[in-house]
Amino acid sequence: QQQVKQSPQSLIVQKGGISIINCAYENTAFDYFPWYQQFPGKGPALLIAIRPDVSEKKEGRFTISFNKSAKQFSLHIMDSQPGDSATYFCAADFPLTGTASKLTFGTGTRLQVTL
Amino acid sequence: EAGVAQSPRYKIIEKRQSVAFWCNPISGHATLYWYQQILGQGPKLLIQFQNNGVVDDSQLPKDRFSAERLKGVDSTLKIQPAKLEDSAVYLCASSVGTGGYEKLFFGSGTQLSVL
Repeated sequence: QQQVKQSPQSLIVQKGGISIINCAYENTAFDYFPWYQQFPGKGPALLIAIRPDVSEKKEGRFTISFNKSAKQFSLHIMDSQPGDSATYFCAADFPLTGTASKLTFGTGTRLQVTL
Repeated sequence: EAGVAQSPRYKIIEKRQSVAFWCNPISGHATLYWYQQILGQGPKLLIQFQNNGVVDDSQLPKDRFSAERLKGVDSTLKIQPAKLEDSAVYLCASSVGTGGYEKLFFGSGTQLSVL
């Protein structure tokens, strides 16, 4: 119930195109949904995040769309660039006891942006 | 600001041997996490500390894995004895607090190969 399902596993997009990565969850207790970007040999880095009371959040070329009723959220990368080639992980935050919470990651999407 | 430091960068051991990883979080960060990232998968939380107390270790294989965070700063993760399936990248991360909406800062990880 604390799983986050992510698709596709890999994605190839031409430069200037739109990259779309989808995630779904079951547990309605999740209350925060970040996306992390990971380059080879590096740890993941926070890209953008959204709370479930908002349906969309945009930061530059990156947009999260959130559908609370469908329990789905997606990352859109507009005007994709070769420098965006990386692995992207969606994640969901599950509240624990007290003020603590636990972040669960999806399985990742390897994005390749071609020239 | 200095990032999360991890060592060693790479480690190759034979099965049944023991191994230890070290992590130094960002100064002032109260929460420290150890994640296991198997090739092609998302990071899986092994243990989460707030200062030097354990917040969550529900996915830590306690028969072989142990972790400690002395004085609420540095942390070590130990595997004893190692199994083939422990081959993975072990990521350390830290955050300012432990509640929801936290931004996790990851180190570059230790890549472990168990032969």
